[in-house]
Amino acid sequence: KAGVTQTPRYLIKTRGQQVTLSCSPISGHRSVSWYQQTPGQGLQFLFEYFSETQRNKGNFPGRFSGRQFSNSRSEMNVSTLELGDSALYLCASSLGGVGANVLTFGAGSRLTVL
Amino acid sequence: QQQVKQSPQSLIVQKGGISIINCAYENTAFDYFPWYQQFPGKGPALLIAIRPDVSEKKEGRFTISFNKSAKQFSLHIMDSQPGDSATYFCAAKTGNQFYFGTGTSLTVIP
Repeated sequence: KAGVTQTPRYLIKTRGQQVTLSCSPISGHRSVSWYQQTPGQGLQFLFEYFSETQRNKGNFPGRFSGRQFSNSRSEMNVSTLELGDSALYLCASSLGGVGANVLTFGAGSRLTVL
Repeated sequence: QQQVKQSPQSLIVQKGGISIINCAYENTAFDYFPWYQQFPGKGPALLIAIRPDVSEKKEGRFTISFNKSAKQFSLHIMDSQPGDSATYFCAAKTGNQFYFGTGTSLTVIP
């Protein structure tokens, strides 16, 4: 069974640019969550999508957005990049229903903003 | 505001020793408490989890102790091995949302 696939794995951008990250969940998983991981801050929740609808949103500025497609694949976009956006962005999928407690994470997309 | 507070930030343990990582929370709506293990270059992976109606759960060398009245839970790694060297995250779930601690970097010295 394939795991959660995130692309690209590494990318370098400059301030002011935008970036789009992609996540393919485990087959059958309908929920996709995104997290930002930075040293000392742990995993900060960005948003969660279930059946193409954003169900939850973390405390991030509007420059961070996402969407989910009908095949459950998800993308997140960060516009007008800032140096502080440098981080590992993790995607996690789950079944998403009541009692669905297990998050399966991808390996992440490491973004460096110069 | 950090919903789940985790300590220590880093931990060094001798091989064969016990590693203990602690977490605390305030939100009584949390109903599921997992621990995740992350190796360099990998995403976090579920290690062990507990529900608040249980005070302890053991899986091999890994044990969660849960104190509902104190709103605290901890991970104990018995007979720690160099292969356990990783970052550990505690988490708490309410509804469909997970809240993670800031992580503990564990180093087990041979």
